[in-house]
Amino acid sequence: GNSVTQMEGPVTLSEEAFLTINCTYTATGYPSLFWYVQYPGEGLQLLLKATKADDKGSNKGFEATYRKETTSFHLEKGSVQVSDSAVYFCALRDGGGFKTIFGAGTRLFVKA
Amino acid sequence: NAGVTQTPKFQVLKTGQSMTLQCAQDMNHNSMYWYRQDPGMGLRLIYYSASEGTTDKGEVPNGYNVSRLNKREFSLRLESAAPSQTSVYFCASSREYETDTQYFGPGTRLTVL
Repeated sequence: GNSVTQMEGPVTLSEEAFLTINCTYTATGYPSLFWYVQYPGEGLQLLLKATKADDKGSNKGFEATYRKETTSFHLEKGSVQVSDSAVYFCALRDGGGFKTIFGAGTRLFVKA
Repeated sequence: NAGVTQTPKFQVLKTGQSMTLQCAQDMNHNSMYWYRQDPGMGLRLIYYSASEGTTDKGEVPNGYNVSRLNKREFSLRLESAAPSQTSVYFCASSREYETDTQYFGPGTRLTVL
């Protein structure tokens, strides 16, 4: 079945450091891929998405590229801020259905 | 715009008690969802409602029932709570034909003793 695996956290970085959170997936067909972010005490928010191979999703300085050959969708940001401290979830949706599969989440702490 | 609202924010139940989690959205979305979030397991879909008047099982429906009361409201009921249902519950909504962009509520933290 479909699944998403992302790196375990927590990840602790200093402000302005480079961020990478790894995500790999298993899916039949051609899934759409997403990153959601959950700030403390809030629900999840869509951060970025990519719907086909080689697409790059980007938002708020974050980027992720849909790599079909390595079945990966790694999240990157060149310079993190304290305000980026949150839990990040990688997710996939296969086809046009209503079911989204989420990874376990990676907690990011950014120190000033 | 309130977006997606959930009540209550916190709840403690004893094993065997029942309760209903409420969810409402003011974005005129057709589709609504209930998820549970457990440590190390991400979010898992319990039930969803593709449109008003329809409901379908998700990945982990056992022990739950849902009601799509109208277009705005989608409730989740635990008839006889069990400790295994201790979790954080999230409601979400989306426009029917843009199922990828889901909007989430702030969650309900439920503890079953």
